[in-house]
Amino acid sequence: RKEVEQDPGPFNVPEGATVAFNCTYSNSASQSFFWYRQDCRKEPKLLMSVYSSGNEDGRFTAQLNRASQYISLLIRDSKLSDSATYLCVVNTNTGGFKTIFGAGTRLFVKA
Amino acid sequence: NAGVTQTPKFRVLKTGQSMTLLCAQDMNHEYMYWYRQDPGMGLRLIHYSVGEGTTAKGEVPDGYNVSRLKKQNFLLGLESAAPSQTSVYFCASSPQGLATPHQETQYFGPGTRLLVL
Repeated sequence: RKEVEQDPGPFNVPEGATVAFNCTYSNSASQSFFWYRQDCRKEPKLLMSVYSSGNEDGRFTAQLNRASQYISLLIRDSKLSDSATYLCVVNTNTGGFKTIFGAGTRLFVKA
Repeated sequence: NAGVTQTPKFRVLKTGQSMTLLCAQDMNHEYMYWYRQDPGMGLRLIHYSVGEGTTAKGEVPDGYNVSRLKKQNFLLGLESAAPSQTSVYFCASSPQGLATPHQETQYFGPGTRLLVL
């Protein structure tokens, strides 16, 4: 089993739709969680950190469920420019620094 | 600020050849990382550095060596390239590097595409 798992998609949604991605992780000692966005043939860029209390940044909402060991990303009112691959990242510093990237979920937003 | 830059952008090697990938950052970041990204897989950490003169192994270190002689530079070396090392290589850096590296945002370079024949 992979340490961090994501549904690879692709998710094909129309503009204006709401779409949600989940990411599960296996290490219960994981400490920090992030969503990164990666455009085709480009480098990953931070979208948002994920906190236990949940956090929102405009149309994007991230949630963490430690009991079930998953994080989620909700995108409301999808734009064409949201088309990208979304990477889930899980970090821990217990027993040494470790950062694990999920393989990513591809999103296509169409007009 | 240029941020994180990588040299070269693209390279073709023959099996057994050696090469060095250069990563440079101008943000005075303490931590630097080398990843590889392969289709269908997440980025995998090869080596990382918590400061000038230090390096540590990541998830997939075999076949690679690194050096951090200057704070702003992190070099990744392939001594004897193999086709399995065909990949896209990303360098990243993060600012703080104190006791909470796991909480830090990583800033990535544009990547180096390496093809080993």
